[in-house]
Amino acid sequence: DGGITQSPKYLFRKEGQNVTLSCEQNLNHDAMYWYRQDPGQGLRLIYYSQIVNDFQKGDIAEGYSVSREKKESFPLTVTSAQKNPTAFYLCASNRGLGTEAFFGQGTRLTVV
Amino acid sequence: QKEVEQDPGPLSVPEGAIVSLNCTYSNSAFQYFMWYRQYSRKGPELLMYTYSSGNKEDGRFTAQVDKSSKYISLFIRDSQPSDSATYLCAMSYSGGSNYKLTFGKGTLLTVNP
Repeated sequence: DGGITQSPKYLFRKEGQNVTLSCEQNLNHDAMYWYRQDPGQGLRLIYYSQIVNDFQKGDIAEGYSVSREKKESFPLTVTSAQKNPTAFYLCASNRGLGTEAFFGQGTRLTVV
Repeated sequence: QKEVEQDPGPLSVPEGAIVSLNCTYSNSAFQYFMWYRQYSRKGPELLMYTYSSGNKEDGRFTAQVDKSSKYISLFIRDSQPSDSATYLCAMSYSGGSNYKLTFGKGTLLTVNP
């Protein structure tokens, strides 16, 4: 079955540590996205990539980094510079401009 | 003014009721509109996708777009307890290289048996 796989489902991080969230899609989509979801704030865009080896900052990119070395993979690193990293992180993809986006099941990150 | 406004609710209805969920937007460049359903602690699931004014029906769900009023709606007929979730509207631009989707904050719906 085609879809988007995020791993792990739950992740715990100590303060000061970097952590990487995985996102893989087998839909052959060109564009991929990372969103952060906090209670009462909706989805906020962190980074997006329209094509391999290219990505753009979203609305809240500070403290995050990404790479897009393969079409099917778009990992997100939450660095120690991110002041409030505890959140639900969602990865999405679509075929490109104006097309519907599909989401993974999310990773819940907790800083302990 | 925010680009997309959505009443967060919560909205509580009895089983079998018709539910109306709405979003307004300010940017006339939006041409593609989506509705997602999100269960607690899960990723959003695409329900409806439209790219023109008018109605689109899929089973118990009807999406309505009124570009002249910058207003979109999702209607759920014969609502079921399994419809209890947060509903998100989303929209995107029609031109240029901006692939960004803009979301409403979501409406929390509870359907009571």
